[in-house]
Amino acid sequence: RKEVEQDPGPFNVPEGATVAFNCTYSNSASQSFFWYRQDCRKEPKLLMSVYSSGNEDGRFTAQLNRASQYISLLIRDSKLSDSATYLCVVNIPMNTGFQKLVFGTGTRLLVSP
Amino acid sequence: NAGVTQTPKFQVLKTGQSMTLQCAQDMNHEYMSWYRQDPGMGLRLIHYSVGAGITDQGEVPNGYNVSRSTTEDFPLRLLSAAPSQTSVYFCASSYSRYANTEAFFGQGTRLTVV
Repeated sequence: RKEVEQDPGPFNVPEGATVAFNCTYSNSASQSFFWYRQDCRKEPKLLMSVYSSGNEDGRFTAQLNRASQYISLLIRDSKLSDSATYLCVVNIPMNTGFQKLVFGTGTRLLVSP
Repeated sequence: NAGVTQTPKFQVLKTGQSMTLQCAQDMNHEYMSWYRQDPGMGLRLIHYSVGAGITDQGEVPNGYNVSRSTTEDFPLRLLSAAPSQTSVYFCASSYSRYANTEAFFGQGTRLTVV
């Protein structure tokens, strides 16, 4: 089983639509969770961290379900500029005591006029 | 603010050649890492470091070496380039050695091995 799994999409939605992305992770000891955004041929950038109680940043809402090891990202009122790949990121504890950041393969979103 | 600086941006190598991808950060971050990104595979961790003198392997370390002699620099060495190493390489850094804070990425190096 992959450490972080996402539906690759693409998700094709019209402007103004609401779209949700899901992500599952395999290591129950993971403590930190993030959503990153990556534009075509660019580096990933942090969109938002995901907190246990859920958190919202404008049109974006992130949720964490530890029992199901599941993370979600909801985008409301989609804009053309939201077209990008959204990466689910989880930190995984290692046997060394250190941790590593593991990225999902990403979900591609295309917002059309 | 420079952030994370990667060089070069583009590189073409012949099979068997060696080279070093440079990565430097000016944010005094403890954690630095190298990823490669291939179509359909996402970002895969090659090596990471939690501080000067401490490195460890990631998911796909074969064919690559790293060292961390200073907090700022984390070069990635390709020992003998192979076509399978054609990819986009990203260096990233984050404040905490526990990889639980925002990761800042360099702009990437597009490497082609022929």
